[in-house]
Amino acid sequence: GAGVSQSPSNKVTEKGKDVELRCDPISGHTALYWYRQSLGQGLEFLIYFQGNSAPDKSGLPSDRFSAERTGGSVSTLTIQRTQQEDSAVYLCASSLQRSSGNTIYFGEGSWLTVV
Amino acid sequence: AQSVTQLDSHVSVSEGTPVLLRCNYSSSYSPSLFWYVQHPNKGLQLLLKYTSAATLVKGINGFEAEFKKSETSFHLTKPSAHMSDAAEYFCVVSEGNYKLTFGKGTLLTVNP
Repeated sequence: GAGVSQSPSNKVTEKGKDVELRCDPISGHTALYWYRQSLGQGLEFLIYFQGNSAPDKSGLPSDRFSAERTGGSVSTLTIQRTQQEDSAVYLCASSLQRSSGNTIYFGEGSWLTVV
Repeated sequence: AQSVTQLDSHVSVSEGTPVLLRCNYSSSYSPSLFWYVQHPNKGLQLLLKYTSAATLVKGINGFEAEFKKSETSFHLTKPSAHMSDAAEYFCVVSEGNYKLTFGKGTLLTVNP
């Protein structure tokens, strides 16, 4: 597609429920990233995919968080047993390859509110 | 390790006056540096990037930034602010890998 597409754009969920956030990267982009933006924490790196593999999951805050990518394209970020502190904007981004010279393009984010 | 400090959390200017958003970075290697802008309820949009070519980088919407290695700075400027420039601006550093390290952001307010 023309840009990085994320869904849902907004999600309100009850504490303890599982949520899935989806990301469609720009066509042809092999690198895919998830970041989290929350008040007072700024933007935090969560996970990086190169193709379907995730060489760096170091930013995932707990084992309730997981992500996968299939077909070298779509990625899903899953949060199990959501907590109120999970409330944030989850941003997906993609780039042609893992190089600092390549521009990283961001989606508009999935706004998650846990009540 | 890489880090970014945005020196002002909030900058307020009048329409038509210059904009200066300050950023200092720390990096062990030759970094790539970026400025992103985020309008309310929108995603992040790349304004400009520095990747070891010309030290003065021109971006979209009349913004530019100068890489100064001796001062470890990458300040963002614009000669004349427009109302549509009101947004949050993030300075970002990358050390030749995939990880972007973001500054805390500077909220720019433009007064009529």
